Amino acid sequence: AQKVTQAQTEISVVEKEDVTLDCVYETRDTTYYLFWYKQPPSGELVFLIRRNSFDEQNEISGRYSWNFQKSTSSFNFTITASQVVDSAVYFCALSPHTGGFKTIFGAGTRLFVKA
Amino acid sequence: DADVTQTPRNRITKTGKRIMLECSQTKGHDRMYWYRQDPGLGLRLIYYSFDVKDINKGEISDGYSVSRQAQAKFSLSLESAIPNQTALYFCATSPGQRPGELFFGEGSRLTVL
Repeated sequence: AQKVTQAQTEISVVEKEDVTLDCVYETRDTTYYLFWYKQPPSGELVFLIRRNSFDEQNEISGRYSWNFQKSTSSFNFTITASQVVDSAVYFCALSPHTGGFKTIFGAGTRLFVKA
Repeated sequence: DADVTQTPRNRITKTGKRIMLECSQTKGHDRMYWYRQDPGLGLRLIYYSFDVKDINKGEISDGYSVSRQAQAKFSLSLESAIPNQTALYFCATSPGQRPGELFFGEGSRLTVL
């Protein structure tokens, strides 16, 4: 089965706090891609990052960082020094080789950052 | 102008009516998708097409049909709308060389009364 689980439905933090959004995935494929997308209150979906299954290097982009661990099938997303503009729904997604890399989404985590 | 354009952006209709949501793209991508978003359920794949002659069902295709009129156009139809098809619908494209990476339209909010 191919599945993405985001166990945290909602998270609320105060500005400048660090926050980690969890993502656990299931797939039997050895070749797959993992993604994070952001959906701000305006409703559009914005691509944040793509990681392939053969590259477990962590990635940092400004205040955003991603931790990919194949041993635990996790692809967690950390926002450092959160800001009000980070308030959004964040989706983790999986594209396994089986089925031609069509993308499967988790249920999303809604992040509230309070000033 | 948006690279992936959906029309209409908002639609209210009645049970039993036929509805078509249209999607056009200028990104030149072969792959196109229709997703449905419901609160707490994330995005679920309805149909996808890897090229003009290729149409595939996603996880929730019942009650929906699609047409790929050209590389740039992918339409979603609800033949007889029902209230539980009330949702936010997204069209997306992806490039063949970066499979899975999706570029979304702005969404079409459909309400079925």
